[in-house]
Amino acid sequence: QQQVKQSPQSLIVQKGGISIINCAYENTAFDYFPWYQQFPGKGPALLIAIRPDVSEKKEGRFTISFNKSAKQFSLHIMDSQPGDSATYFCAASKENTGFQKLVFGTGTRLLVSP
Amino acid sequence: DTAVSQTPKYLVTQMGNDKSIKCEQNLGHDTMYWYKQDSKKFLKIMFSYNNKELIINETVPNRFSPKSPDKAHLNLHINSLELGDSAVYFCASSSWGTGSETQYFGPGTRLLVL
Repeated sequence: QQQVKQSPQSLIVQKGGISIINCAYENTAFDYFPWYQQFPGKGPALLIAIRPDVSEKKEGRFTISFNKSAKQFSLHIMDSQPGDSATYFCAASKENTGFQKLVFGTGTRLLVSP
Repeated sequence: DTAVSQTPKYLVTQMGNDKSIKCEQNLGHDTMYWYKQDSKKFLKIMFSYNNKELIINETVPNRFSPKSPDKAHLNLHINSLELGDSAVYFCASSSWGTGSETQYFGPGTRLLVL
């Protein structure tokens, strides 16, 4: 059973456009929601993360929108650039004593065309 | 100055063999993780250690045995390799805290079982 569902599977956006990736979760105990970016041949790297006490978090061109009642969160990439072409993973975890047990979405392959 | 390193980067072996993957982090973290990324890019946690103590042990065949000689190292030994073990294995590390600490991933070990 997939605890975190991610869509779309792939996305093509023109340079300068907005990329939007959506995730939905089932476990209401989740309270930490990071997004990871993975380039080909590399390990995932944390991009931005949010906790459910806020509905939006922005860091540069990247914004997470969070809807607790709908159990959904999304990543928006403004002014998308070819260098943003990568696979993006949403994830979720619930607060444990000291450590994270991340449950990942299935990933979205983003291609930003020049 | 690599933060999380893994060896080897590539591993090609025959079915039935035993192999080990090594991971080291120089970030001063005390929690380390092993993830498996399959051919569809799905990332799933396998194990986690904190200060040499096993804290996460997902439903993984007992052919997989992690070992942490100290808090900066986490190794993964796989016995009797099967075709389905072919995947990219990522090591990650984080500090111990509230559960929202950033996980830093290594570059991955690409395992191909023939």
